[in-house]
Amino acid sequence: KAGVTQTPRYLIKTRGQQVTLSCSPISGHRSVSWYQQTPGQGLQFLFEYFSETQRNKGNFPGRFSGRQFSNSRSEMNVSTLELGDSALYLCASSPDPGQTNYGYTFGSGTRLTVV
Amino acid sequence: AQSVTQLGSHVSVSEGALVLLRCNYSSSVPPYLFWYVQYPNQGLQLLLKYTSAATLVKGINGFEAEFKKSETSFHLTKPSAHMSDAAEYFCAVMNSGGYQKVTFGTGTKLQVIP
Repeated sequence: KAGVTQTPRYLIKTRGQQVTLSCSPISGHRSVSWYQQTPGQGLQFLFEYFSETQRNKGNFPGRFSGRQFSNSRSEMNVSTLELGDSALYLCASSPDPGQTNYGYTFGSGTRLTVV
Repeated sequence: AQSVTQLGSHVSVSEGALVLLRCNYSSSVPPYLFWYVQYPNQGLQLLLKYTSAATLVKGINGFEAEFKKSETSFHLTKPSAHMSDAAEYFCAVMNSGGYQKVTFGTGTKLQVIP
């Protein structure tokens, strides 16, 4: 069974640009969550999608957005990049919100560097 | 609201020694609790989880954790550290009874000294 696939693995962008990150969950998983990980802030919840609907959102500015497609693949977008957006972005999949005790399966992440 | 506190951002142990990583949680309802491990430049991997069954939970790689409601704790232990255990460990909490997002602790970096 394939794991959670995140692309690209590494990305370098310039301030002011925008970026799109992709996540393909485990086959059969319908819930995708996104986290930002930085040395200073740790793991910060961005948002969670289930059945193409955003069900939960963290405290991030509107520059951060996401979506989920009918095949459960998800993308997140960050517009007008700032230096502080440099981070490891992690995607996590789970079967569905009803199985809350499942735990997440994480992808390897996308390392975004903003210069 | 839910939260977790991991005591000690860095822990060093000698190879073969006991590993003890501390986690205390706060939750208004019975929680689900998790431990994850992260190796450099990788995502997080689930080590073990407590979901209101047995209070002593065994996970992968010889780790286990005990849920103690009276102490609101869920400490992670391993009897004998191995060099390959060097990584960062995260405790996480999710409220049971309906969907809630997972809240992670700040992590504890484990160093294993040969």
